[in-house]
This record gives sequence, structure tokens and C-alpha cells, in this order.
Amino acid sequence: RKEVEQDPGPFNVPEGATVAFNCTYSNSASQSFFWYRQDCRKEPKLLMSVYSSGNEDGRFTAQLNRASQYISLLIRDSKLSDSATYLCVVGPSSNTGKLIFGQGTTLQVKP
Amino acid sequence: NAGVTQTPKFRVLKTGQSMTLLCAQDMNHEYMYWYRQDPGMGLRLIHYSVGEGTTAKGEVPDGYNVSRLKKQNFLLGLESAAPSQTSVYFCASSYPSLRGNSNQPQHFGDGTRLSIL
Repeated sequence: RKEVEQDPGPFNVPEGATVAFNCTYSNSASQSFFWYRQDCRKEPKLLMSVYSSGNEDGRFTAQLNRASQYISLLIRDSKLSDSATYLCVVGPSSNTGKLIFGQGTTLQVKP
Repeated sequence: NAGVTQTPKFRVLKTGQSMTLLCAQDMNHEYMYWYRQDPGMGLRLIHYSVGEGTTAKGEVPDGYNVSRLKKQNFLLGLESAAPSQTSVYFCASSYPSLRGNSNQPQHFGDGTRLSIL
């Protein structure tokens, strides 16, 4: 079983749609959680951290369910510029700073 | 403020040649990492460093060596390049883990595209 699993997609949605991505992780002792965005042939960039109580940044909402070891990302009012691959990232409890990256979910927003 | 800078951006090598990839960060980050990214494989950790003068193996260290002589620089070496090392290489850096071993987000360079013929 992979440490971080995501549905690779692609998710094809029209502009203005709401889309949700899910991610599961295997290490119940994990302490930190993030969503990264990666555009084609570019570096991953931090989209947002994920907090236990859930958090929102504009059109983006992230939620964490520790009991089910499940993370989600909701994008409202999708824009063409949201087209990218979204990486679910989990930090196991460690003093090395190591993060485990999911393979990513690809989103294509169409006009 | 450049963040994380990788050189070179592109390189083509012949099998058996050697080369060094340079990563430099100006954020005073303690931790640095080297990853490779291949289609369908996601990001895989090659080596990492939790401070100047220290390095450790990641998930896929074979065929690579690293050095962290200065806090701001992390070098990745290929002693004898093989076609299986054709990949996109990313360097990243971060602040140390917080109390309770909660890890900080990592900041990435824009990658080195390496082809081994």
C-alpha cells in the first residue's frame, strides 16, 4: 500500500464548477499535511497547509479527518488557471523534515 | 530574494559521464532535499540533509552522492551516469521540524532536466 494515495484523474470540469480531490495516508502518526500545486514541467508549489479544524483560503478549502486518515481539497468556482496537478503531501512524525508526496491528481478546467 | 536556485536547468550526458547538480538557497533553511520525478512515479527522495556537514539517504540513493559543505548549498553528484537516471531533479529546502516533530513545508527550485544517452 502506498503511503499517500490519490486518484490520478484527470478531472475535467467546466469553468465555474466545484471540484473535490481526496487523499488517504497510511501512517496514523503523521503530524503535518499540505496540498501542493504543480504546473506542467514546473516545480511543486505550496498551495496550503491543512489543519485539523479545516481551513479555507479564498476558493480553496482543505479538510483533515485523522480518524479515517483522509485529506480533501475543495475548489469552488473553478478557473482556467486552476488547471494543474494537485499533490497531497503528508509529513510523518520525524525530526528530518521529510515529506511524503502523493502522485497527484490532474485537473483540467475547460471553457 | 531568489529562494531555491538550481543549476544547470538542462543537461544531456553520455552513459558513464559524471556531473554535479548545484542547489543554492537564500532563506537560511536548515534542511535540504534532493528528489527525482519520473512519469507515473511521483517525487522520490534521493538524499537529504538536516544541517551543514550532514547528509542521509532517502528512498532512492543508489548511484548518487551528495555534499553539504555550506548551509546554503546542497550538491548532488552522479559519478557514472546511467540511462535509468534520466529524470527531472528537484531540490527543496525547509525550516527544521517544529516541537513534536511536525514538519514544515518545503520550497522547491525549478528543476534540472537531465537526459542520459
